[in-house]
Amino acid sequence: GAGVSQSPRYKVAKRGQDVALRCDPISGHVSLFWYQQALGQGPEFLTYFQNEAQLDKSGLPSDRFFAERPEGSVSTLKIQRTQQEDSAVYLCASSLGLSYSYNEQFFGPGTRLTVL
Amino acid sequence: KNQVEQSPQSLIILEGKNCTLQCNYTVSPFSNLRWYKQDTGRGPVSLTIMTFSENTKSNGRYTATLDADTKQSSLHITASQLSDSASYICVVSAADYKLSFGAGTTVTVRA
Repeated sequence: GAGVSQSPRYKVAKRGQDVALRCDPISGHVSLFWYQQALGQGPEFLTYFQNEAQLDKSGLPSDRFFAERPEGSVSTLKIQRTQQEDSAVYLCASSLGLSYSYNEQFFGPGTRLTVL
Repeated sequence: KNQVEQSPQSLIILEGKNCTLQCNYTVSPFSNLRWYKQDTGRGPVSLTIMTFSENTKSNGRYTATLDADTKQSSLHITASQLSDSASYICVVSAADYKLSFGAGTTVTVRA
């Protein structure tokens, strides 16, 4: 594919439901990032993968959030027992190399999660 | 808490006019500063990236400036077009992979 793709684009969940958000990075990109973007705010870092290794999960807001990238390509962000404060756009980004700061991050369109 | 502050929060300009967006940051150490354009419902797209040694960088009608001493940056849009309507986000990178994002300036270009 030409860019980073995410699915679903929109997700409505009832409070307490589990959700899974998928990210397909650009083929061959080593680094993958997840961000959370609240309405009217800039994205906030959640977690970072280098290939299949999750090197940093310091931004995950609680233990209800879990991310994986088992084969070093597609990644899934899972949120268990969703709460209303989880409502946000979840952005995925990928980068060709090891993401020492100068590397370009290419963003997907995001998944808008609404928890009722 | 936010280490990247942008102003104004929003602005409206007429097609063909110029505008300038501001970004102040406190991120340290500093590696580079980026400006992203985010259309509604889309992910951010990079416009420019500057290291501390670069004072200005252009990408078509977009020109970014950086003053690493005062920790300020600006993005100037020349001869605005309707397609420039978007949110413009200032992003500062420290010496690792983590990016610090501003809240963005929403630009609306009217015919």
